[in-house]
Amino acid sequence: EPEVTQTPSHQVTQMGQEVILRCVPISNHLYFYWYRQILGQKVEFLVSFYNNEISEKSEIFDDQFSVERPDGSNFTLKIRSTKLEDSAMYFCASNLDTTFGEKLFFGSGTQLSVL
Amino acid sequence: AQSVTQLDSQVPVFEEAPVELRCNYSSSVSVYLFWYVQYPNQGLQLLLKYLSGSTLVKGINGFEAEFNKSQTSFHLRKPSVHISDTAEYFCAVSDLGGGGNKLTFGTGTQLKVEL
Repeated sequence: EPEVTQTPSHQVTQMGQEVILRCVPISNHLYFYWYRQILGQKVEFLVSFYNNEISEKSEIFDDQFSVERPDGSNFTLKIRSTKLEDSAMYFCASNLDTTFGEKLFFGSGTQLSVL
Repeated sequence: AQSVTQLDSQVPVFEEAPVELRCNYSSSVSVYLFWYVQYPNQGLQLLLKYLSGSTLVKGINGFEAEFNKSQTSFHLRKPSVHISDTAEYFCAVSDLGGGGNKLTFGTGTQLKVEL
């Protein structure tokens, strides 16, 4: 089965630093997402992206966050100035379309640790 | 707004025993329901989903779930578990307008299968 690839698997950064999390969605997919999971808490929706623009975002996705599809294959999440509470596992996901509960394909995640 | 409750954070069970992982949801609109599984160091994988029709849904790896609208539940069951079923299991919902993409997850249930 095709896979969503995320790099790096672990990222450690200092508070206040910028960090970019990278994802390669499945090649023919059109919809892209970021979710995150703080340790011990729920997996939370951050943002969805389609046709080179954000289609929906949650309250968590404030001005410190941005997403980009810089080329035909990568999908990135940037956190401008990291805070301690940004420490979490970040999951990228993609799917082909949004009809009838179309299955989301998730990557294995990037564990972000902010010190 | 929707929410998902997984009351059991951990479920230990012996191999070949049956298991039920509980999931309750709340929503003011009709929803799609999902179970995802996360094996160690891997991404979330779709186990099964309920969109409409028969309330008993069969998924991969011998798992099934039953949608009960009156009890707003979507419990996951397997009649005989295997060591390889040890993983974190997440119940999730999405309203019909979201097309199954903006998922609201529960906190997860860690299934630990022992010999």
